[in-house]
Amino acid sequence: EDKVVQSPLSLVVHEGDTVTLNCSYEVTNFRSLLWYKQEKKAPTFLFMLTSSGIEKKSGRLSSILDKKELSSILNITATQTGDSAIYLCAASVQITGNQFYFGTGTSLTVIP
Amino acid sequence: EPEVTQTPSHQVTQMGQEVILRCVPISNHLYFYWYRQILGQKVEFLVSFYNNEISEKSEIFDDQFSVERPDGSNFTLKIRSTKLEDSAMYFCASRGSYTEAFFGQGTRLTVV
Repeated sequence: EDKVVQSPLSLVVHEGDTVTLNCSYEVTNFRSLLWYKQEKKAPTFLFMLTSSGIEKKSGRLSSILDKKELSSILNITATQTGDSAIYLCAASVQITGNQFYFGTGTSLTVIP
Repeated sequence: EPEVTQTPSHQVTQMGQEVILRCVPISNHLYFYWYRQILGQKVEFLVSFYNNEISEKSEIFDDQFSVERPDGSNFTLKIRSTKLEDSAMYFCASRGSYTEAFFGQGTRLTVV
């Protein structure tokens, strides 16, 4: 059965801390790994990672994929209260149908 | 910026009633999805739709559910006879070829 696992399930940090969120996947026909941020409603897209070892960055957020270890990490540096959200990772597979298998998410709370 | 729009944002319905959730995907996208998220749980795949037909569906997507693309722009999810356990946030998503999925803001369905 295809599976995406995220850790930790929840995390509470202080503003300014750096956090690392983990995602591991076991899917057939893997194509890419996606990270989403979910605040009150819909997941909003952060990164799509296709190639192993190439870091993607957007401001204080960065992510990298390790295809050998079947995993990805999402780093957030100098966290702010606005970073508080659930971070979802999803594995995209190379078939026409269900393209995205989601993990349960990591709930990040940043306290002032 | 193009976006996926969903209506209504919140729907309350009585058990046994039919509901239709509406989505307008991003124009020129070819792949359409419905996901749901029960409060506190993971995002679950319901169905994918491509080339005017269902390409894959999950176990959740039983005979009570149906999808349609009635006019080439809207993409609807119908639940024929709602049950209490259908209460969830329903997300529509669309994507182009080899792109990430864009999610709508969701419809919160409450079955009473």
